[in-house]
Amino acid sequence: GNSVTQMEGPVTLSEEAFLTINCTYTATGYPSLFWYVQYPGEGLQLLLKATKADDKGSNKGFEATYRKETTSFHLEKGSVQVSDSAVYFCALRFEDSNYQLIWGAGTKLIIKP
Amino acid sequence: NAGVTQTPKFQVLKTGQSMTLQCAQDMNHNSMYWYRQDPGMGLRLIYYSASEGTTDKGEVPNGYNVSRLNKREFSLRLESAAPSQTSVYFCASSNRDSNSPLHFGNGTRLTVT
Repeated sequence: GNSVTQMEGPVTLSEEAFLTINCTYTATGYPSLFWYVQYPGEGLQLLLKATKADDKGSNKGFEATYRKETTSFHLEKGSVQVSDSAVYFCALRFEDSNYQLIWGAGTKLIIKP
Repeated sequence: NAGVTQTPKFQVLKTGQSMTLQCAQDMNHNSMYWYRQDPGMGLRLIYYSASEGTTDKGEVPNGYNVSRLNKREFSLRLESAAPSQTSVYFCASSNRDSNSPLHFGNGTRLTVT
């Protein structure tokens, strides 16, 4: 079936470190891929998306590239800040899933000053 | 620029009591969703409404009912609350296509004692 697998957290980094959060997926069709972020006490908000193979989504210094050959959509940031501490969710969506989002379990990121 | 509005923000119920969580969106979206989020469990879909006039069960529908009142509003009802329904509830909305992200409300934190 369709699924999304994220690296388990928490991920703890020092400020200005390089961030990678891995996300791989299994899907029978051609999904769009999303990263959402949830700050403490808030709802989820879209961070970035990519709708076809080799697309790169970017926002707030974060990037992720849609890799069809490796079925991956890893989230990266070159230099993290304390304010990036949050939970990050990877998700996919496509017609074959009746347009339902298939969610990863979320990865908690903790940035220490 | 309201987006998705949920009420109430917090609620405490006793076992067996009933309540309705309200959700409204002002983005003219076709689809609306109710999720619950529990520690370590990620997001789980309770019910969704692909378009006005339709509702469907998600992953964890037992103990809940929904009403799509009109295109803007989608309510979630707990007829007889149980401690297992203690959770944070999120409403979301989107257009019904693969490329559209979900827009989330800020959540309702429900405690059932």
